[in-house]
Parts: sequence; C-alpha cells; structure tokens
Amino acid sequence: GNSVTQMEGPVTLSEEAFLTINCTYTATGYPSLFWYVQYPGEGLQLLLKATKADDKGSNKGFEATYRKETTSFHLEKGSVQVSDSAVYFCALKVNRDDKIIFGKGTRLHILP
Amino acid sequence: DGGITQSPKYLFRKEGQNVTLSCEQNLNHDAMYWYRQDPGQGLRLIYYSQIVNDFQKGDIAEGYSVSREKKESFPLTVTSAQKNPTAFYLCASSIGVEQYFGPGTRLTVT
Repeated sequence: GNSVTQMEGPVTLSEEAFLTINCTYTATGYPSLFWYVQYPGEGLQLLLKATKADDKGSNKGFEATYRKETTSFHLEKGSVQVSDSAVYFCALKVNRDDKIIFGKGTRLHILP
Repeated sequence: DGGITQSPKYLFRKEGQNVTLSCEQNLNHDAMYWYRQDPGQGLRLIYYSQIVNDFQKGDIAEGYSVSREKKESFPLTVTSAQKNPTAFYLCASSIGVEQYFGPGTRLTVT
C-alpha cells in the first residue's frame, strides 16, 4: 500500500542553521507529494508541492525535490528562523479521488 | 475570502453527551474530510465525503457520525460511544490533488 515515512522529531536547531527533514514514500503509480506545516493550535497549511518526478516545490525559503529514483521528497531550508518552529508533515496522493496519506509529522524547534 | 471555517474553536462537554462539530467551506470543493489529532500525534482519518449525500468511513470511524446534505457543509457528531473523544479535530476539503484545512476545533470531554 501507499505510505509515507518521515524522520522522527523533535528536531532542534539554532537560528540561521540549515534544515533538512527527510521524507521517503512508497506508492503504486505516480503520486503527487506535499509538505504541510502546522503552527501551534492551528490547522495544517500547504507549504509546497510537486506533482511529477524532478519537480521542485518551493515556498517561504523552503524547498523539496521529487526524487523518483530514491522515492524521496526531503524538505530543506538554508537558514531557519524562530518563526519556522512548527510541525511539518510530508504527504502523498496517488489519484485525484484517493485519500491523502500523511507521515507522522516532525516537530521543529528553532532556538534564538 | 474563500476558506474553511470550523466552529467553535474550543468546545467542552460532559461525558455521555453527543456533540456536533461544524465545518463549512465556500471553496466549491466536492470532497471533504474529518481528521482527529491527539497530542504529539499525526492525523487519523475519521470520515470523508467525495460528493453530496455520500460518505465513507475512514480509519477510526467508530463512535462518530457525519452527514453531507449540502456541498459546503460536513458536520461531525462525536457520540457518547466514542471512548476517548478529547482531541483536536480538523476538517479539510479538496479539489484535484490539493487538500486545504480548517483551523480546527479542540474538544474536551470531562
């Protein structure tokens, strides 16, 4: 079946550090891939997406590249800020009418 | 502004009472979803609906019920049969592959 595995947190970094949150997936077919962010006490917001192999999604300084050969969609940011502290969810959807499959989430703490 | 609204933000109930959580969207999306999130946990799918007057059970439907009488509305009832109802409940809707979330309702049952 389809599944998403992301690195367990919490991840704690200092401000301006480089961030990588790993995400790998298993899917039948050709999924669309997503990163969502959840700030404390709020719903999830779509951060970025990629719909086909080698696509790069980017938003707010975050990037992720759809790597079909390694079935990965790692989230990166060159210089994190305290305001990036949140929980990040990797997700996939194979077909339009399918349910979206979420990873378990990675909590990120950025220290000033 | 288009979006998904959930009300109320915080809800308190006594054990043994049914409670209905509201979810409304004006995005004209066909599909709507309910998730449950427990502290420090990921999302678990309760129910989803691809079209008006039709819905399917998700992974943890026991103790919950839904209706989809209108495209824009997908209320969730947490019944007294739900053994552990205290949680953060998230509603979402989708069109195509993207899914959008409401702000959530935090339900506390004592």
